[in-house]
Amino acid sequence: NFLLTQPHSVSESPGKTVTISCTGSGGSIATNFVQWYQQRPGSAPTAVIVEDDQRPSGVPDRFSASVDRSSNSASLTISGLKTEDEADYYCQSFDSSNWVFGGGTKLTVL
Amino acid sequence: QVHLKESGPGLVKPSETLSLSCTVSGGSISNYYWTWIRQPAGKGLEWIGRISSSGSINNNPSLMSRVTLSVDTSKNEFSLRLRSVTAADTAIYYCARISSTSPHMDVWGQGTTVTVSS
Repeated sequence: NFLLTQPHSVSESPGKTVTISCTGSGGSIATNFVQWYQQRPGSAPTAVIVEDDQRPSGVPDRFSASVDRSSNSASLTISGLKTEDEADYYCQSFDSSNWVFGGGTKLTVL
Repeated sequence: QVHLKESGPGLVKPSETLSLSCTVSGGSISNYYWTWIRQPAGKGLEWIGRISSSGSINNNPSLMSRVTLSVDTSKNEFSLRLRSVTAADTAIYYCARISSTSPHMDVWGQGTTVTVSS
């Protein structure tokens, strides 16, 4: 089974840059696209990165992402942190036809 | 714009069947894949399965034996049935649309809380 592992939590100050990792196991993370979703408390998730590194319309360019084959991991980077970025972030990819989510990372902006 | 809304009982007894529907408004259910995702309180997202408007289905292997997905294009809605529920099935259940241009959920319902309890 293909699994995605994320750190439970990260924290950083407003205006700084933070990176959230998503490490694949049981398969290559580079085989399929990786998406990233932001979920604010009490709300449904919304995609902030699709197809490894593409920002959907309306997502600010402070959000960027990449995939590293050598470490079998993906990363979401948020620069110029704002308090509104405080949320849970989930990576998502595929295992054959199955959609797989990482466990989520709680980002605290303090 | 397209809106999704989940509906169904908020309380289900153990061993019974959870049944939810997702109504699509503001657009057609045709030519898309639709999906169900759930989230236990304070925990992460779990993909349940997806169904196309023509009825093609993929399910999470961990739930596959208990899950039935269906679509009714005449009503512009799709549905989830989860059999033999236990307390572990207590969660917020989201329906979502899968984008036609890239593999991600681009429209989400607000979610509905289902509690399994006697």
